[in-house]
Amino acid sequence: AQSVSQHNHHVILSEAASLELGCNYSYGGTVNLFWYVQYPGQHLQLLLKYFSGDPLVKGIKGFEAEFIKSKFSFNLRKPSVQWSDTAEYFCAATSGSARQLTFGSGTQLTVLP
Amino acid sequence: KAGVTQTPRYLIKTRGQQVTLSCSPISGHRSVSWYQQTPGQGLQFLFEYFSETQRNKGNFPGRFSGRQFSNSRSEMNVSTLELGDSALYLCASSLTSGTYNEQFFGPGTRLTVL
Repeated sequence: AQSVSQHNHHVILSEAASLELGCNYSYGGTVNLFWYVQYPGQHLQLLLKYFSGDPLVKGIKGFEAEFIKSKFSFNLRKPSVQWSDTAEYFCAATSGSARQLTFGSGTQLTVLP
Repeated sequence: KAGVTQTPRYLIKTRGQQVTLSCSPISGHRSVSWYQQTPGQGLQFLFEYFSETQRNKGNFPGRFSGRQFSNSRSEMNVSTLELGDSALYLCASSLTSGTYNEQFFGPGTRLTVL
């Protein structure tokens, strides 16, 4: 069955530290990948998405992600985090055979001022 | 442009009751999907509606149902509520159905079953 895995459940960083959140998927065929963020008390927002083309995708608020097909990974990165990045981050995927979004379990990021 | 709206925002029900949640998509969006978010199971897909037809369904019991109206507004219904149905129910809309459509999420309805 198709699945998305996020191995880091809670990450704590100091401001200005670099961030990398892991995401692995298990899908056959073409896959579309997404990162969503849920700030405290707010709704899910799309950070970035990958459908095809350049495997390095840039999103909003300085986030980027790299699609590595050989590793079935789509890790989220940010060179320097801010306190305002404190939120829960979800990796998600769709494919031709599974059109609905399948989400990972989420990573809670806490950035200390 | 107004975002996805969900009503009510909070609900408290008792076991055995039924509940109806409402979702108004972004204007012009014709696809509405529903998700359940719980601490234990995370975000799980319930169903998707497009042009008043259910296009896709997740692995939930028949107590969970939904519908979509001609103006694309959608409702979901949960009958015979169980304690485990306590969750945040999220609605997402997109322009059309399909894997390449970005979904925009609403704020959710927090359902508590006592």
